[in-house]
Amino acid sequence: DAGVIQSPRHEVTEMGQEVTLRCKPISGHDYLFWYRQTMMRGLELLIYFNNNVPIDDSGMPEDRFSAKMPNASFSTLKIQPSEPRDSAVYFCASSSRTGFLSNGYTFGSGTRLTVV
Amino acid sequence: AQSVTQLDSQVPVFEEAPVELRCNYSSSVSVYLFWYVQYPNQGLQLLLKYLSGSTLVKGINGFEAEFNKSQTSFHLRKPSVHISDTAEYFCAVSRGSGGGADGLTFGKGTHLIIQP
Repeated sequence: DAGVIQSPRHEVTEMGQEVTLRCKPISGHDYLFWYRQTMMRGLELLIYFNNNVPIDDSGMPEDRFSAKMPNASFSTLKIQPSEPRDSAVYFCASSSRTGFLSNGYTFGSGTRLTVV
Repeated sequence: AQSVTQLDSQVPVFEEAPVELRCNYSSSVSVYLFWYVQYPNQGLQLLLKYLSGSTLVKGINGFEAEFNKSQTSFHLRKPSVHISDTAEYFCAVSRGSGGGADGLTFGKGTHLIIQP
């Protein structure tokens, strides 16, 4: 398995533009998580899905952020409009309920977003 | 709500010396505890976990951790470090009654710096 695949690896955009981050979880995993990593706040859980359904989005910072999971093999995190304070590394992770106890989460390599 | 405190943001240590990275947590429910490692420009990888049973757990790369319920701690140790252990280390606790399948709360990380 290729692991959790995130794209793009790096994104530089201007303030006010729409940004879409993509994630392909490991096949067979039914949980998908989006995390944001910054120096100031560390790793924050933004939202997670179970069987493609959003379960908890209480970590989404504001309405400019939205996430979807149209099928078991794809998820997006969208920021519209983007602001400089959104600059961070965004991680996607996936897991299965039983596999989690053995292997924890599998993280992607992250997308480094810079908003100028 | 659960929280994790990593007491040291940075720990320098000489190669082949022992190291301890400290982690304290707070939770009103039974928890699962984890240590993850992040190498530069990569996602997080699971080092070890405590679910139940023996309070001393062993992980990959020669690391071990001890769960201490009375002190609400889960410190990570390695008897002899190598240059390749240079990385960021994160302690994490399961968020709620879902045992972690509903997300993990991470500490802010400890940067382990191995000096030759």
